[in-house]
Amino acid sequence: AAGVIQSPRHLIKEKRETATLKCYPIPRHDTVYWYQQGPGQDPQFLISFYEKMQSDKGSIPDRFSAQQFSDYHSELNMSSLELGDSALYFCASSRDSSGANYGYTFGSGTRLTVV
Amino acid sequence: AQKITQTQPGMFVQEKEAVTLDCTYDTSDPSYGLFWYKQPSSGEMIFLIYQGSYDQQNATEGRYSLNFQKARKSANLVISASQLGDSAMYFCAMQVRRGKLIFGQGTELSVKP
Repeated sequence: AAGVIQSPRHLIKEKRETATLKCYPIPRHDTVYWYQQGPGQDPQFLISFYEKMQSDKGSIPDRFSAQQFSDYHSELNMSSLELGDSALYFCASSRDSSGANYGYTFGSGTRLTVV
Repeated sequence: AQKITQTQPGMFVQEKEAVTLDCTYDTSDPSYGLFWYKQPSSGEMIFLIYQGSYDQQNATEGRYSLNFQKARKSANLVISASQLGDSAMYFCAMQVRRGKLIFGQGTELSVKP
């Protein structure tokens, strides 16, 4: 079965650089979520999209932006990178039905290291 | 406020024995879902089991079962017949209606041979 695809798997950037993380949800999943997991921490919600519109926003820095495209893939853009942005970034997708989410599935994550 | 609490930072279990990982939650919404995920050292988040707030029976998936006690707001994960490959971080998470997951702090499980 198709899974959530994230690219790249690993990314090394220098401070003040920009990074773009990509997420390809499971086909027919209409909701995409982004999470950030710092070292030794639990995942924290950043932002989500439902049918290409932003549906919820968490503790996402102003330096970060995201969007969902017509083919439902999503990109997380991160600018002016800081050392503290080093983390594992997860994308998840689900299919919304009658107010409940089904098939909530995570990608393998992108490990971002800022040096 | 919505919150998930995992009070066991680390747990040890002997291979082939059962282990229970604790999870309590807090929400005032009557409609919610509870998830357990396994995160090995490689980092991926592996779905284990799901329990909906309206589900009458406790969820089971192979060696995993969820002890859902709604009145006590607990959703403990039971792993039967532990295997060495079960050593990992385990996260309990809650989803309220359409949306994000709220994660607990995680429990690191170590299975001893």
